[in-house]
Amino acid sequence: GAGVSQSPSNKVTEKGKDVELRCDPISGHTALYWYRQSLGQGLEFLIYFQGNSAPDKSGLPSDRFSAERTGGSVSTLTIQRTQQEDSAVYLCASSANGGEETQYFGPGTRLLVL
Amino acid sequence: QKEVEQDPGPLSVPEGAIVSLNCTYSNSAFQYFMWYRQYSRKGPELLMYTYSSGNKEDGRFTAQVDKSSKYISLFIRDSQPSDSATYLCAMIGAGANNLFFGTGTRLTVIP
Repeated sequence: GAGVSQSPSNKVTEKGKDVELRCDPISGHTALYWYRQSLGQGLEFLIYFQGNSAPDKSGLPSDRFSAERTGGSVSTLTIQRTQQEDSAVYLCASSANGGEETQYFGPGTRLLVL
Repeated sequence: QKEVEQDPGPLSVPEGAIVSLNCTYSNSAFQYFMWYRQYSRKGPELLMYTYSSGNKEDGRFTAQVDKSSKYISLFIRDSQPSDSATYLCAMIGAGANNLFFGTGTRLTVIP
């Protein structure tokens, strides 16, 4: 079946602009995660959605970052007033039930803020 | 101190060599341990998943966990050029929401 998909694959934007990144998880997966991968920093957890529960936003670095998950499926990560330090690869993952379940990753969106 | 420490490399080995990749961690709550492989411009893909101390083997890959030392390893036997990638260790506590990753080790297997 189809894996996790993300769009766009690459995004170049100017400092101060807003960007939206999209994630389509594996069909039927109830858990969805956003991570950020910066050079030399590894993968950094951002936010976690599980079913209809309130999301775990503990990893969001600032209030410029927000995410939604509509209908328990597609998720959008929004970065407002982008800064150069937001440049990174943003990875989405999904798992069947959350917790210790295996997470399957999308290809990522490469964001460059000029 | 980071929750998970991993030598970023880079690591270059000749084809056929045995590769050893390692991570240490500080949080004794971590119970589940994974190794992900990430090719350039791709998302990470799960290689191995273990939850107990000891060894787990899958083909040319062996994952080793030592919870008493908070140390995990991935061994690759008979390494191939196609193994050239970044290898990330990851771990999670029971009932927790998110994985904690190492920074990844960039491996190059030279033909």
